[in-house]
Amino acid sequence: ETGVTQSPTHLIKTRGQQVTLRCSSQSGHNTVSWYQQALGQGPQFIFQYYREEENGRGNFPPRFSGLQFPNYSSELNVNALELDDSALYLCASSFRGRNNYGYTFGSGTRLTVV
Amino acid sequence: QQQVKQSPQSLIVQKGGISIINCAYENTAFDYFPWYQQFPGKGPALLIAIRPDVSEKKEGRFTISFNKSAKQFSLHIMDSQPGDSATYFCAASFHYTGNQFYFGTGTSLTVIP
Repeated sequence: ETGVTQSPTHLIKTRGQQVTLRCSSQSGHNTVSWYQQALGQGPQFIFQYYREEENGRGNFPPRFSGLQFPNYSSELNVNALELDDSALYLCASSFRGRNNYGYTFGSGTRLTVV
Repeated sequence: QQQVKQSPQSLIVQKGGISIINCAYENTAFDYFPWYQQFPGKGPALLIAIRPDVSEKKEGRFTISFNKSAKQFSLHIMDSQPGDSATYFCAASFHYTGNQFYFGTGTSLTVIP
């Protein structure tokens, strides 16, 4: 059973640029959630994707967007990067329909905006 | 608004001692309370979880105590080991929103040999 894999592991971008982060969900999982974890803080919910549609969104502006693909993998896109977007971005997959509570997190992508 | 409040921010325990981390929540509609363990450079990993219809759950050295009336829950790590040194997060979720988790701010645990 493969876990959740995220790429890249580290990324440095300039303010105003755009970034795409990728996530492959755990085998058998059909739901992907994205979280932002600032240094020294708990993860904050960005949004969740189920059946290729956004299924819940946290308090993040529209410049944070995502996609889920038929194979349940997902992308997180952030436009017009700001310095405060520097954080660890975590992807978590789960299976909706049975045991709705099981999250498996990836190791994250560390984004630094300069 | 912080939906889940966690304390202490950091904790130092001697090997073999008991580590206790506390969390409090406001929304009584939460129905699932997990604890996650995170090592540096890794994503959080589910440690143990509890539903509000149970007052205590034990898995090995880890125990969750849940006080529904006080809206508090805590993690107890018995016989703490240096390998337990990590950051611990409590969380809460509403079943009906399909899995959004509200995390506490984390507790950095150091177990001294």
